[in-house]
Amino acid sequence: EAQVTQNPRYLITVTGKKLTVTCSQNMNHEYMSWYRQDPGLGLRQIYYSMNVEVTDKGDVPEGYKVSRKEKRNFPLILESPSPNQTSLYFCASSLGGWDEQYFGPGTRLTVT
Amino acid sequence: DQQVKQNSPSLSVQEGRISILNCDYTNSMFDYFLWYKKYPAEGPTFLISISSIKDKNEDGRFTVFLNKSAKHLSLHIVPSQPGDSAVYFCAARGGGSEKLVFGKGMKLTVNP
Repeated sequence: EAQVTQNPRYLITVTGKKLTVTCSQNMNHEYMSWYRQDPGLGLRQIYYSMNVEVTDKGDVPEGYKVSRKEKRNFPLILESPSPNQTSLYFCASSLGGWDEQYFGPGTRLTVT
Repeated sequence: DQQVKQNSPSLSVQEGRISILNCDYTNSMFDYFLWYKKYPAEGPTFLISISSIKDKNEDGRFTVFLNKSAKHLSLHIVPSQPGDSAVYFCAARGGGSEKLVFGKGMKLTVNP
C-alpha cells in the first residue's frame, strides 16, 4: 500500500530535549516536505526536499533541521524544542513538483 | 501577508444540497490550484485541482471553478453527503516557485 508514515504519532516532551520525528514514504517520490498545522494558521511549510541531499527552507524553518540521506526518509529534527513548537506536524511527498502531495497521518507534539 | 485566503472558517449545509467553498488569492503568478480534504486525526488528502488555463474542472460530485480576473476559486460539492464533513484546504502554486501555499482551511459540516 502506497503510504507516508510518521513516527511517533504523539509526543510530549520538555523544553530543550532534542527529538526527531521520522517520515518515510514507499512511493519512490523525489519531493518531500514538512508542514505544521496550527489553529487559525492553516498549513505552513517548514522544510522541503527536491531530492536526496537537496533541502531548502520553507516558510517557518526556525528551530528545525532536516536531512535527506535516502530518497524514502526525511526526518524532522528539533535540536532544542520550545513551547511555541507545540503543533500538529505533517510530512508529505510527491512524485514531481508540488501538485498532488500525499500526506502522512500527522504527529502531535507538545513541548512543556 | 496571506496569499491564499479562505475567509469563512466554517459552513453548514443539509445533506443533498450544494456546498460552495470559496478561496481568494493575491499572487497573480499562481498557475495551479488544489483542494485538499482533511478528516480529524488524518493527514490531508488531495481532492481536485485546476490549472490556470482552465476555468472549470469536474470530478464526480466535485467541481472547481477558477475566475482569474477576480483571483477567486470555488469548490462545489453536489449533492453534499455527511461523509463530506471535513476541513477543506485551498492551495496554490506558481510564480516560479514549486512551493504550495495553503489557506487556513474551512470546516464543512453536512447535516443528515
